[in-house]
Amino acid sequence: AAGVIQSPRHLIKEKRETATLKCYPIPRHDTVYWYQQGPGQDPQFLISFYEKMQSDKGSIPDRFSAQQFSDYHSELNMSSLELGDSALYFCASSPRNQAETQYFGPGTRLLVL
Amino acid sequence: GQQLNQSPQSMFIQEGEDVSMNCTSSSIFNTWLWYKQEPGEGPVLLIALYKAGELTSNGRLTAQFGITRKDSFLNISASIPSDVGIYFCAGTPVAGGSNYKLTFGKGTLLTVNP
Repeated sequence: AAGVIQSPRHLIKEKRETATLKCYPIPRHDTVYWYQQGPGQDPQFLISFYEKMQSDKGSIPDRFSAQQFSDYHSELNMSSLELGDSALYFCASSPRNQAETQYFGPGTRLLVL
Repeated sequence: GQQLNQSPQSMFIQEGEDVSMNCTSSSIFNTWLWYKQEPGEGPVLLIALYKAGELTSNGRLTAQFGITRKDSFLNISASIPSDVGIYFCAGTPVAGGSNYKLTFGKGTLLTVNP
């Protein structure tokens, strides 16, 4: 079965640079969530989109923005990167009739030097 | 925000043993989900629970949605070495309204000795 696709899988950036993470949800899933997971931590909710509109916002820094496109893929844009942004970033998607059942992608490991 | 208390933090068991872990909260949850995560990978959904009292199995895994809606447990029977990983409970609290962001427990690290 098709899963959530994330790219890139690994990313190395310098401080103050920008990064763009991409997420392709499972086909026919219309809701996308972004989570951040620090080393040894549980995933923390950042932001979500339903039908291309932002549906909820968590502890996402103002330096980060995201959007969902007409094909339902989503991008997380991160600017003025800081060392503390180094983490695993997960995208999850859920189907229309079971929005609370979230399927996670493999993640993007971001390292800020 | 809502917090999930997951226990135990870690378990070291022998192959073939049964395992039990649980999550509790002071808030009522609409949904309970159990995930397994291996190093450097994304959480994999194991079991989803939608109704209080619901008991669901997935192979050797069994999970239940507590009747009070404030807790859930996951059992793994006859553990095998590939069960190694971090198990997370997660849920959508009632107080979240129609939004479905997940709140996660801190995870249970399971190690299985062959």
